[in-house]
Amino acid sequence: DQQVKQNSPSLSVQEGRISILNCDYTNSMFDYFLWYKKYPAEGPTFLISISSIKDKNEDGRFTVFLNKSAKHLSLHIVPSQPGDSAVYFCAASAEGGSEKLVFGKGTKLTVNP
Amino acid sequence: GAVVSQHPSWVICKSGTSVKIECRSLDFQATTMFWYRQFPKQSLMLMATSNEGSKATYEQGVEKDKFLINHASLTLSTLTVTSAHPEDSSFYICSARDLAGQAGNTIYFGEGSWLTVV
Repeated sequence: DQQVKQNSPSLSVQEGRISILNCDYTNSMFDYFLWYKKYPAEGPTFLISISSIKDKNEDGRFTVFLNKSAKHLSLHIVPSQPGDSAVYFCAASAEGGSEKLVFGKGTKLTVNP
Repeated sequence: GAVVSQHPSWVICKSGTSVKIECRSLDFQATTMFWYRQFPKQSLMLMATSNEGSKATYEQGVEKDKFLINHASLTLSTLTVTSAHPEDSSFYICSARDLAGQAGNTIYFGEGSWLTVV
């Protein structure tokens, strides 16, 4: 049973526009969420996180929104840049992030010039 | 941000031999490190949680005698693939939790290690 789902395997966006990556989870014990960016043959790079006590966290061009009632979170990138092209993984953890991370399958973002 | 380094980046070994991969947290102490593997076009699969000074906790289906994990210090964890077979060929990634970091309970990843068993 997949506890963290990224239903869109891929997303294509024009440079300068907004990229919205979605993630759904089923485990109500999850209370800490993270987004990672990954290039082929490299380890994931941490982007941004959010605790369940918040519904929004912003860091530069990246904003993560959390809707606890819907068990849904999204990552907004604006404006999108070609260098943002990568696979984005949503991850969730319980116990305020002390528990192991559970990853979604990733969404491949392509930002076209 | 925090840095986690993995070595080697890639390794080729003969079937039946053992290979060791190191994971180091360079600028923070990590009581907990994690080992993942990733098959092509798939998500990261957690293999085990490595705790400094104690035995690793393995995920279901992961052979502890095959994937030996040692976390001897607060900055180093090693994964040894014993008696490697071609099906062990994969991308192995470690991560470490920075409890004291600015982002709180953030887990940082190493660069990954490509293992090819021939």
